[in-house]
Amino acid sequence: DQQVKQNSPSLSVQEGRISILNCDYTNSMFDYFLWYKKYPAEGPTFLISISSIKDKNEDGRFTVFLNKSAKHLSLHIVPSQPGDSAVYFCAARAEGGKLIFGQGTELSVKP
Amino acid sequence: GAGVSQSPRYKVAKRGQDVALRCDPISGHVSLFWYQQALGQGPEFLTYFQNEAQLDKSGLPSDRFFAERPEGSVSTLKIQRTQQEDSAVYLCASSSRHSTDTQYFGPGTRLTVL
Repeated sequence: DQQVKQNSPSLSVQEGRISILNCDYTNSMFDYFLWYKKYPAEGPTFLISISSIKDKNEDGRFTVFLNKSAKHLSLHIVPSQPGDSAVYFCAARAEGGKLIFGQGTELSVKP
Repeated sequence: GAGVSQSPRYKVAKRGQDVALRCDPISGHVSLFWYQQALGQGPEFLTYFQNEAQLDKSGLPSDRFFAERPEGSVSTLKIQRTQQEDSAVYLCASSSRHSTDTQYFGPGTRLTVL
């Protein structure tokens, strides 16, 4: 069973607009969430994280929102830039520190 | 400083062959993780080391998979008698002190089993 789900395999956004990537999880014991960005032929790169004691964390153009009651988090990118085009993975930190990833969402930002 | 490096970057093996994949973590990083990423999927946890101790190997899919980190630095993931379903990208990640610190990933090794 998939404990972390990203239901949108792809997303296309115009440059300068907002990108919203969504992620759902099933295990209420998860207490820390991360977003990674991945370019082709490279490993995932850490982007931003959020603890379950918060509902929002912001870093420049990137903001992550957490809705614990809905077991849902989202990543907002404002404004979107062509260099943001990549695959974005949502992950939950499980016991021992291992990460449980979603399937990824491929973001395409068009000039 | 240098990031996590992995070698080889690409490996083609015939079904039944043994392969060894290497990971060089960031210098001084205590924790090391291996993940397997199938095409179109997110990475899936395989195993975790703290220094030389393998503390969690619950994600290894079969006894054909074996990982080691004898001196607490470089790690090797070995797959014996490879099968076509082993074809995937194998990612290594390290974190500085605790397993809960941010994990930094290497570029991965793409394994293709024919």
